[in-house]
Amino acid sequence: DVKVTQSSRYLVKRTGEKVFLECVQDMDHENMFWYRQDPGLGLRLIYFSYDVKMKEKGDIPEGYSVSREKKERFSLILESASTNQTSMYLCASRSPRGLGETQYFGPGTRLLVL
Amino acid sequence: AQTVTQSQPEMSVQEAETVTLSCTYDTSESDYYLFWYKQPPSRQMILVIRQEAYKQQNATENRFSVNFQKAAKSFSLKISDSQLGDAAMYFCAPPVGGAQKLVFGQGTRLTINP
Repeated sequence: DVKVTQSSRYLVKRTGEKVFLECVQDMDHENMFWYRQDPGLGLRLIYFSYDVKMKEKGDIPEGYSVSREKKERFSLILESASTNQTSMYLCASRSPRGLGETQYFGPGTRLLVL
Repeated sequence: AQTVTQSQPEMSVQEAETVTLSCTYDTSESDYYLFWYKQPPSRQMILVIRQEAYKQQNATENRFSVNFQKAAKSFSLKISDSQLGDAAMYFCAPPVGGAQKLVFGQGTRLTINP
């Protein structure tokens, strides 16, 4: 089974702090994704990465950056946290096309910015 | 605009009955995968079923099946013999944003009545 882990389930930070959300997958997948989930808005793509050191903006990248130094790890960075970044953050890893291009999700990190 | 529409924000069904969740989308892709995910109260996103767009046969996974109408861009999920454990938020996810990017609908909250 694919395992995707996220560094924290719950996180409380203050406005202006730098926040790191870590995601690790154990299936050697090339593609990884960061989403945020808000009530009534579904999941929205922040950034994705299709290889080490490669990244592409999603639909809502403003206020976020990412890092992919190793294949198994994809980090989401909030350079200066703001209250409107309070949300649930979900990381996903995707299997290759020959195995169904399926995204497997981590358990999520619920971030509260005060 | 590229969209995914789940027209039923909430649905309720008696245990052991059958329920169908609807999803329509717009994409310019011709060869792609589509997905239904469920998110129970634990918030973990779990793959329910996957459909390959070039396959005419509708996908089936135990009690879960889809009705995929490619020309109509419709992708509904049927749950037979509903069980209490099926209660969750269900998200439709076609690659509306291009083959590399899924777009998630706003979700349908399914309640199972004993």
